[in-house]
Amino acid sequence: DQQVKQNSPSLSVQEGRISILNCDYTNSMFDYFLWYKKYPAEGPTFLISISSIKDKNEDGRFTVFLNKSAKHLSLHIVPSQPGDSAVYFCAAPSRTGANNLFFGTGTRLTVIP
Amino acid sequence: DGGITQSPKYLFRKEGQNVTLSCEQNLNHDAMYWYRQDPGQGLRLIYYSQIVNDFQKGDIAEGYSVSREKKESFPLTVTSAQKNPTAFYLCASSIGSQNIQYFGAGTRLSVL
Repeated sequence: DQQVKQNSPSLSVQEGRISILNCDYTNSMFDYFLWYKKYPAEGPTFLISISSIKDKNEDGRFTVFLNKSAKHLSLHIVPSQPGDSAVYFCAAPSRTGANNLFFGTGTRLTVIP
Repeated sequence: DGGITQSPKYLFRKEGQNVTLSCEQNLNHDAMYWYRQDPGQGLRLIYYSQIVNDFQKGDIAEGYSVSREKKESFPLTVTSAQKNPTAFYLCASSIGSQNIQYFGAGTRLSVL
């Protein structure tokens, strides 16, 4: 059962506009969330994270918002640039013995010049 | 340069053959992980290791084996028992219970 869900497989945005990528989760015990960016044939690279004690975290053009009551988080990229075109995954640590990450299925962002 | 190195980048497996994917890290991380990515799916955990000489099965360990003889190395063997091995394999590491995991560039395995 998918505990982290990204329901939009793809998103296209004009350069300079805002990109909003969404993520939902089912496990209310998750206390930390991460966004990774992945280019084709490469491993994911960490982008930004947020603790469940916050509702917003900002790093340059990237902002992550967390709505715990809705079990929803979103990544905002503004302004979007062609180099942002990649697959974006949201993830949450399991907090079990493995402490592995549960990943969503990813959203492919295409920024159109 | 600190990082995680996976090799080879591409690998082909023949029927009934075992193949081994290499993962080496020089980040001095205790924990290492193997994930598998299939098209349209998120990453799924195969095996993980929190310390040297210890490893545990993840969610999809059947048909795979690992070893952790050195802190820096966590090779994954895809055995002939894995009937659907075609996928993109990713190795990751982290410092103990830290949240952020760092990934290698991946190995794409295909069946001949």
